[in-house]
Amino acid sequence: QITLKESGPTLVKPTQTLTLTCTFSGFSLSTSGVGVGWIRQPPGKALEWLALIYWDDDKRYSPSLKSRLTITKDTSKNQVVLTMTNMDPVDTATYYCAHTEEMAELDYWGQGTLVTVSS
Amino acid sequence: QSVLTQPPSASGTPGQRVTISCSGSSSNIGSNTVNWYQQLPGTAPKLLIYSNNQRPSGVPDRFSGSKSGTSASLAISGLQSEDEADYYCAAWDDSLNGLYVFGTGTKVTVL
Repeated sequence: QITLKESGPTLVKPTQTLTLTCTFSGFSLSTSGVGVGWIRQPPGKALEWLALIYWDDDKRYSPSLKSRLTITKDTSKNQVVLTMTNMDPVDTATYYCAHTEEMAELDYWGQGTLVTVSS
Repeated sequence: QSVLTQPPSASGTPGQRVTISCSGSSSNIGSNTVNWYQQLPGTAPKLLIYSNNQRPSGVPDRFSGSKSGTSASLAISGLQSEDEADYYCAAWDDSLNGLYVFGTGTKVTVL
């Protein structure tokens, strides 16, 4: 079955760069049409889509955050990495990764990881 | 940041029918299918409806979705206490090289 799990620091300081890793199983990012995306949710607020990478290395970013985000994949390790530069307290949120195929629904989600930005 | 608009809250008593609306535009709902996610308290979102009206395996048939033009709706019939959750609509948006947009979210309360 498909599973995803996010990992990374729970606390980062303002201006630092956040690096999150999504480790998955049950599918391959070398399979045609497959993608892994990142979504975040500030405490008590709505979901916000951040970025997505496809099997063919096609990358999509949220326009409002594009300058700060980089998404990469390591197919051999079954991992997708998201980096976000210049972190600010407003970036405090639970960050999720999710599986998708062919620009369809996000059908499998990780449990999420809470990242707090504070000095 | 949310491009799709939902009512902030909805409520009903057990057994009632509750409907949640989701308003978008021609570049998202008007051009692509709508998905709905359920987020129970303290948990990750779960896919509830995909392709406007399709239910993944295991989702009860009291949940149904529809779409018309640039709007969509989620209906919960026979409301149960375990349906108390946040619900989000979402769709791909064809603007700016393609991005995924979520709704503002609706908190459903079972009275």
